Amino acid sequence: QSALTQPASVSGSPGQSITISCTGTGSDVGSYNLVSWYQQHPGKAPKLMIYEGSKRPSGVSNRFSGSKSGNTASLTISGLQAEDEADYYCCSYAGSTTYVFGTGTKVTVL
Amino acid sequence: EVQLVESGGGLVQPGGSLRLSCAASGFTFSTYSMNWVRQAPGKGPEWLSYITGSSSTIYYADSVKGRFTISRDNGKNSLYLQMNSLRAEDTAVYYCARDHVDTAAFDVWGQGTMVTVSS
Repeated sequence: QSALTQPASVSGSPGQSITISCTGTGSDVGSYNLVSWYQQHPGKAPKLMIYEGSKRPSGVSNRFSGSKSGNTASLTISGLQAEDEADYYCCSYAGSTTYVFGTGTKVTVL
Repeated sequence: EVQLVESGGGLVQPGGSLRLSCAASGFTFSTYSMNWVRQAPGKGPEWLSYITGSSSTIYYADSVKGRFTISRDNGKNSLYLQMNSLRAEDTAVYYCARDHVDTAAFDVWGQGTMVTVSS
């Protein structure tokens, strides 16, 4: 199972919106509406930000939103803030209770 | 407070074994499926294994199948990962993660424990 493809880095100024893509295949992202997104600050554990493609867990800011089209899922961060600077990983269910993560995207707030 | 705390990591020689533990608190452990996920230095996370609350169903990633064994003790609110035949490429931070019910997501993570496989 190959890792999902994400851009290595995305940057934006405070207040702007950025979008991170996550490209998989018809065997994972394209087959299931079960993409999740995680935020990871340096030296910390990942934090769930989006599940089932577009749902936010309790406590996650509504500045974070998710979507999917075909084999590509996307995470949009609107109203970018300094604390959003972190690594972001997508993850998709890939059948037979297996999961595949993305390559990761470093978000820089300029 | 919902919390997961891993322990048992360390330095081990290639071919060696290690047993990781994950202590859960703040939720009814037995009702949740659990997972192990690892992250090699500078890399993205990699899902390793899944176990249902009753231990009736277990899955492994191909990369660890036959070498790693997941188990749990609901009486002790603990999750385990027995790792045998360790290789250099198993070097990573190992996290236990709670299954976000029926959503194929991981909603609670421990702080991780580092495993280094080196001679």
